[in-house]
Amino acid sequence: QKEVEQDPGPLSVPEGAIVSLNCTYSNSAFQYFMWYRQYSRKGPELLMYTYSSGNKEDGRFTAQVDKSSKYISLFIRDSQPSDSATYLCAMSLLTGGGNKLTFGTGTQLKVEL
Amino acid sequence: NAGVTQTPKFQVLKTGQSMTLQCAQDMNHEYMSWYRQDPGMGLRLIHYSVGAGITDQGEVPNGYNVSRSTTEDFPLRLLSAAPSQTSVYFCATTGGYTGGYGYTFGSGTRLTVV
Repeated sequence: QKEVEQDPGPLSVPEGAIVSLNCTYSNSAFQYFMWYRQYSRKGPELLMYTYSSGNKEDGRFTAQVDKSSKYISLFIRDSQPSDSATYLCAMSLLTGGGNKLTFGTGTQLKVEL
Repeated sequence: NAGVTQTPKFQVLKTGQSMTLQCAQDMNHEYMSWYRQDPGMGLRLIHYSVGAGITDQGEVPNGYNVSRSTTEDFPLRLLSAAPSQTSVYFCATTGGYTGGYGYTFGSGTRLTVV
């Protein structure tokens, strides 16, 4: 079983829809939770970062962490065609070698006009 | 401000050839790392460095070598390329390897080994 599970999609929604992207994880030691957006043939870029359980909002994006259920979500409101990309969840914990990220496999999102 | 620069963007190698993927950052970050991205596998850590002169192995280090002589540069060497090393390679850096910081990624090197 992978440490981080993420539905690969693809997920297709109409413009203006609310999008929900999710990841589950098995390692309760994870401390930091991130969402990255990756456009085709580009590197991942950091969208949201959170440390504790609860919600964090940034514009149209809301990141939600539920440590008791080992479940994180990213909500996108009023989705736009420019949101079409692959969304990667990532989690990290401190080890002797520093802060290392474990990524989900990514969910491909397409927002259609 | 370029951030993280990777070269080349594309490369085709024959089995058994060696090459070096270059990564340079101008963010003055201590922590640098190399990932490979494969369909259905996500991003997997190859090697990382917490500062000049210090490197360590990640999840999938076999067949790769790294060194870190300066803060800015972190090259990845393929010693004897194999078709299983066909992948997209990303270099990433973060300002806080002790926790709580996001990573900045380069735009990637697409490598095909035939």
